[in-house]
Amino acid sequence: VTLLEQNPRWRLVPRGQAVNLRCILKNSQYPWMSWYQQDLQKQLQWLFTLRSPGDKEVKSLPGADYLATRVTDTELRLQVANMSQGRTLYCTCSALATGGQDTQYFGPGTRLLVL
Amino acid sequence: GEQVEQLPSSLIVQEGASVLINCSYTDSASVYFPWYKQEPGKRLQFIIDIRSNMERKQNQRLTLLFDKKTKHLSLHITATQPGDSAIYFCSATSSGSWQLIFGSGTQLTVMP
Repeated sequence: VTLLEQNPRWRLVPRGQAVNLRCILKNSQYPWMSWYQQDLQKQLQWLFTLRSPGDKEVKSLPGADYLATRVTDTELRLQVANMSQGRTLYCTCSALATGGQDTQYFGPGTRLLVL
Repeated sequence: GEQVEQLPSSLIVQEGASVLINCSYTDSASVYFPWYKQEPGKRLQFIIDIRSNMERKQNQRLTLLFDKKTKHLSLHITATQPGDSAIYFCSATSSGSWQLIFGSGTQLTVMP
């Protein structure tokens, strides 16, 4: 059974536009949800971890700005804005049962290409 | 903060060969080390992990060795198959943290 679903799976993003990504958790026993980004060189970088509905965080990194929102116990969202032209980005969510050392499971990812 | 170095960046072997992937980390507070495999276009898939109070863990053709003193891990894959071709990532996290710090990945290609 798939633990995490993401949509959209890919998106062409016109320059200057923001895009909204969704991550849906299928098993509420894994409440710690996170976003990671992966660049073209396959380097993975943690972005956010949000535990409770209503939690929000923002972050600015070279090449994009991010806003993460924990909408419900089973939905995590990520808004990606101000992406550099020509950039390709892969965003994946994850879920963890506890706040510490345990297996973290990942979603299928969303691939973004900025036009 | 924690940094994880992974080598080699790529490996090409014949089917049946054994491979070794090495990782080192910098933060002595790191206590949990999961490894993941990523096939082209697919999600990160958990394959094996080890905690800092262990030295060795085996899961079928995978053996993970951990040296706390040198802050070094190595993943040994035996009897490789073309289906093992993927990018392999080591990662580290400290006690009470949910943030995984990843190595840069090793692209393994197993030729039939």
